[in-house]
Amino acid sequence: QQQVKQSPQSLIVQKGGISIINCAYENTAFDYFPWYQQFPGKGPALLIAIRPDVSEKKEGRFTISFNKSAKQFSLHIMDSQPGDSATYFCAAPSRSTGRRALTFGSGTRLQVQP
Amino acid sequence: DAGITQSPRHKVTETGTPVTLRCHQTENHRYMYWYRQDPGHGLRLIHYSYGVKDTDKGEVSDGYSVSRSKTEDFLLTLESATSSQTSVYFCAIKEIATGEQPEAFFGQGTRLTVV
Repeated sequence: QQQVKQSPQSLIVQKGGISIINCAYENTAFDYFPWYQQFPGKGPALLIAIRPDVSEKKEGRFTISFNKSAKQFSLHIMDSQPGDSATYFCAAPSRSTGRRALTFGSGTRLQVQP
Repeated sequence: DAGITQSPRHKVTETGTPVTLRCHQTENHRYMYWYRQDPGHGLRLIHYSYGVKDTDKGEVSDGYSVSRSKTEDFLLTLESATSSQTSVYFCAIKEIATGEQPEAFFGQGTRLTVV
């Protein structure tokens, strides 16, 4: 079973600061690495995704960095805002399902203090 | 918002009773998924479907069964509910399996409590 290890479990950042969440994976044969954002009482929502043939993807204040040699990818939230307070999940296609489904990290609860 | 509806949204049931959760989509997407979410575990795949009457197991499928008789509906059944199945259940849909399109849409979730 593909493992995706996410850290930290929780994160507190001051408004305007940079939030960094990391994920490590065990295998390299993937199409993409997505990140999801989940607010309390809601389902996860796709935030941003990166393909393994690029090292970085940026959408607004959100950036994914990918390090293939280290088998790691990370989410950076620049100029963090209180509205970014949510739980974030990284994921990768599951080898056991023929990449038809995702394996998720355990989640990071981000709190941005005003 | 994508057309995904989960029902019921909340349910309390007794140990040993059967429970069925429903996921209904209006997007005509081929792939449908059931995940459960528990603290410290993220989301874990229970079962998924890649077409009408085509289903397969995920990593935590024991104690669960699914059925998909129509493109728009994917049912998750707990044959005999146990306290360990207390969780929040999410349905997700996707048009294609691979390529630059991870699970695009998740439902609002069903909070199930087994007492």
